[in-house]
Amino acid sequence: DAKTTQPNSMESNEEEPVHLPCNHSTISGTDYIHWYRQLPSQGPEYVIHGLTSNVNNRMASLAIAEDRKSSTLILHRATLRDAAVYYCILRDSNTGTASKLTFGTGTRLQVTL
Amino acid sequence: GAGVSQTPSNKVTEKGKYVELRCDPISGHTALYWYRQSLGQGPEFLIYFQGTGAADDSGLPNDRFFAVRPEGSVSTLKIQRTERGDSAVYLCASSGGAPGSYNEQFFGPGTRLTVL
Repeated sequence: DAKTTQPNSMESNEEEPVHLPCNHSTISGTDYIHWYRQLPSQGPEYVIHGLTSNVNNRMASLAIAEDRKSSTLILHRATLRDAAVYYCILRDSNTGTASKLTFGTGTRLQVTL
Repeated sequence: GAGVSQTPSNKVTEKGKYVELRCDPISGHTALYWYRQSLGQGPEFLIYFQGTGAADDSGLPNDRFFAVRPEGSVSTLKIQRTERGDSAVYLCASSGGAPGSYNEQFFGPGTRLTVL
């Protein structure tokens, strides 16, 4: 699986936007970029995914670089409930829509008042 | 609706004992996954079922670990001769498995296994 690189931790103030970066320089043409997050003492939860175009949903936005070697998860207004570990994951679409996720160590986001 | 549930939430056992961890997936989900998570690490894939069969068991660390899903719904992860290094949170996830759709994985809260 292609590897992703994320900062270990980031901090944000509440109500401000947060940009969580992910580098994936060895991404292949069939790799989708997925983001999951894990709140304290819970299992991971899906946030968003994309292939080439930027994506928006109710939780976040995903901005994908033109060369696809990096992406950024954007939380438009961070709240205390967004404090979690955020995982950027690549998954090859050739393995099918139901296949394993390969997690790294993620970025621990701390949100303060 | 009900999410993925896992029982027990906590399990403490002694080295060498046998344990079973149970996962109840979201009703109707065809795919079921097991992961384990050590402190400070991301979840690590163990095995994935499509229906009753194991589609990918490449993550099982050794033959002490085994999982079943006999009726294509509930799954049990079985660990024989437990070792202290097996201590971790064991996470289960399920997804719809429908061809052509994204099928995000829905995770349960996990079972925290402690081997003394």
